[in-house]
Amino acid sequence: QKEVEQNSGPLSVPEGAIASLNCTYSDRGSQSFFWYRQYSGKSPELIMSIYSNGDKEDGRFTAQLNKASQYVSLLIRDSQPSDSATYLCAATRGGYQKVTFGTGTKLQVIP
Amino acid sequence: NAGVTQTPKFQVLKTGQSMTLQCAQDMNHNSMYWYRQDPGMGLRLIYYSASEGTTDKGEVPNGYNVSRLNKREFSLRLESAAPSQTSVYFCASSEETVLGAEAFFGQGTRLTVV
Repeated sequence: QKEVEQNSGPLSVPEGAIASLNCTYSDRGSQSFFWYRQYSGKSPELIMSIYSNGDKEDGRFTAQLNKASQYVSLLIRDSQPSDSATYLCAATRGGYQKVTFGTGTKLQVIP
Repeated sequence: NAGVTQTPKFQVLKTGQSMTLQCAQDMNHNSMYWYRQDPGMGLRLIYYSASEGTTDKGEVPNGYNVSRLNKREFSLRLESAAPSQTSVYFCASSEETVLGAEAFFGQGTRLTVV
């Protein structure tokens, strides 16, 4: 079992819809969680970090964390074609040195 | 600001050749990292440096060496390249705070070993 699991996709959503990206982790000691966006051929770019149970909103993005279920999600509202990318989930017990990345979910937003 | 700068962007090596990937950051971060990214494997940590003068192995250190030259620079060396080291390499840096740590990545180096 991978420490951080994501469905590889592709997840296809129509423009303007809500995209829901999911991630599960196996280490119950994980404390910090990150969502990165990676366009094809480019480097990962941090879009959200979350450290407490509940929701964290930033513009069109909402990260959700449920430590009891070991589940992290990213919601993208009003999806745009420019959101088409691979989204990487990452988790760490503490300290970025030990962060573990999932393999990513490819999102396609259809105009 | 340049952020994290890696060189080169592309490289082709023959099996057995050596090379050094360079990385520099201008954000005054203490921590720096080298990752490799392979299809279906995600990002895997090769080495990291929590501060100037210290380095530690990550998940896949075999075949690599690193040097934290100063606070800004962190290099990755392949002493004898193998086809299994064909990958995209990313350098990253971060600063840890009480809220956690967020990393910033360089643009990547696409390495092919033939």
